[in-house]
Amino acid sequence: GQQVMQIPQYQHVQEGEDFTTYCNSSTTLSNIQWYKQRPGGHPVFLIQLVKSGEVKKQKRLTFQFGEAKKNSSLHITATQTTDVGTYFCAHNNAGNMLTFGGGTRLMVKP
Amino acid sequence: DAGITQSPRHKVTETGTPVTLRCHQTENHRYMYWYRQDPGHGLRLIHYSYGVKDTDKGEVSDGYSVSRSKTEDFLLTLESATSSQTSVYFCAISESAGGYGGELFFGEGSRLTVL
Repeated sequence: GQQVMQIPQYQHVQEGEDFTTYCNSSTTLSNIQWYKQRPGGHPVFLIQLVKSGEVKKQKRLTFQFGEAKKNSSLHITATQTTDVGTYFCAHNNAGNMLTFGGGTRLMVKP
Repeated sequence: DAGITQSPRHKVTETGTPVTLRCHQTENHRYMYWYRQDPGHGLRLIHYSYGVKDTDKGEVSDGYSVSRSKTEDFLLTLESATSSQTSVYFCAISESAGGYGGELFFGEGSRLTVL
């Protein structure tokens, strides 16, 4: 099935700096979901994007779906220590299955 | 949090022994999934179920079997555990198919160590 690549794998930022993670596919995606997993925790759904060029915001988090529906990004403005965790994108690989990217682990220095 | 309970939460076993992990939900969701999480591999789908007695393979199904005899329970069985199956296993549920936009709710995870 189609794969998505997430970059970077790891990111260290100073508290207050911005952070962006990218999810890239070689083929068109029907939709994209984003999840957050805190250290030692379980993944938690953040948002779903469906439309070409869609942009959605949740407080300091901005999610984008590319015009060609082959990439997506999650941007966090002014990171806080509570943003620490691993962020995963996920997409419909085939039928009922949701396939996850490898994740980007965010570490925030206070 | 969605009503999902995984058991056991931690298990240490020896190579060659059978292991069963249980996922129990109280949400009456149709779809249930088993994922494994390993460093460097993210979350990989093992098996999923789209209804009672209806299951299908995911991307890493070799060495695993599943059963769903009731809506609320989804069992993952390792018939003969190997060290490569040491992992954290997550159960997830969704009201509509995850591949078609259904939001997944995850359990707390079961950490399995095979010696």
